[in-house]
Amino acid sequence: EAQVTQNPRYLITVTGKKLTVTCSQNMNHEYMSWYRQDPGLGLRQIYYSMNVEVTDKGDVPEGYKVSRKEKRNFPLILESPSPNQTSLYFCASRSVVGELFFGEGSRLTVL
Amino acid sequence: SQQGEEDPQALSIQEGENATMNCSYKTSINNLQWYRQNSGRGLVHLILIRSNEREKHSGRLRVTLDTSKKSSSLLITASRAADTASYFCATDRASSGNMLTFGGGTRLMVKP
Repeated sequence: EAQVTQNPRYLITVTGKKLTVTCSQNMNHEYMSWYRQDPGLGLRQIYYSMNVEVTDKGDVPEGYKVSRKEKRNFPLILESPSPNQTSLYFCASRSVVGELFFGEGSRLTVL
Repeated sequence: SQQGEEDPQALSIQEGENATMNCSYKTSINNLQWYRQNSGRGLVHLILIRSNEREKHSGRLRVTLDTSKKSSSLLITASRAADTASYFCATDRASSGNMLTFGGGTRLMVKP
């Protein structure tokens, strides 16, 4: 089954404690991206990657890092999380046609 | 900044009625897509319409695109309670490389 898998689905952490949200896709898509979704602000793109070892900033990259060492994985790294990074995070991969396939989301709370 | 803006922000209808949601955008696009999101879940792709297309159908969904007005509409015919969800338009801007930008969404409630 074609899917994008994110982990963890839920996480409560404290300010400054580094965390990584993993994302994996099994569709051999070259393009992957991370979004955050906040009430009243919709979905905003954090980072995207057009292929292995190629990453670019989206609209809201501050406070985040990503890496793309292999095609299937695109982890999101919060080196020093802060409360304003409390959000619902989505990873997505993109087909050659252009449609995005989303993971089920990772709800992060930073205390 | 949001490229697409949906209208209305919320819509409540009875089962069996049609639901129409609109999306306006600001800059030239390669294509426009519509997605559905059940509460707190991942978004699911519904339909993609390219800039040179005017109308597209998929089951009970009908999407139109008017590039002169920079707007699109999503029509759901004969709505069902299971259609209750948020619906987002997303634009693939000609100038943005590979970024897909989402609007704020329309929350649709279909009452049984």
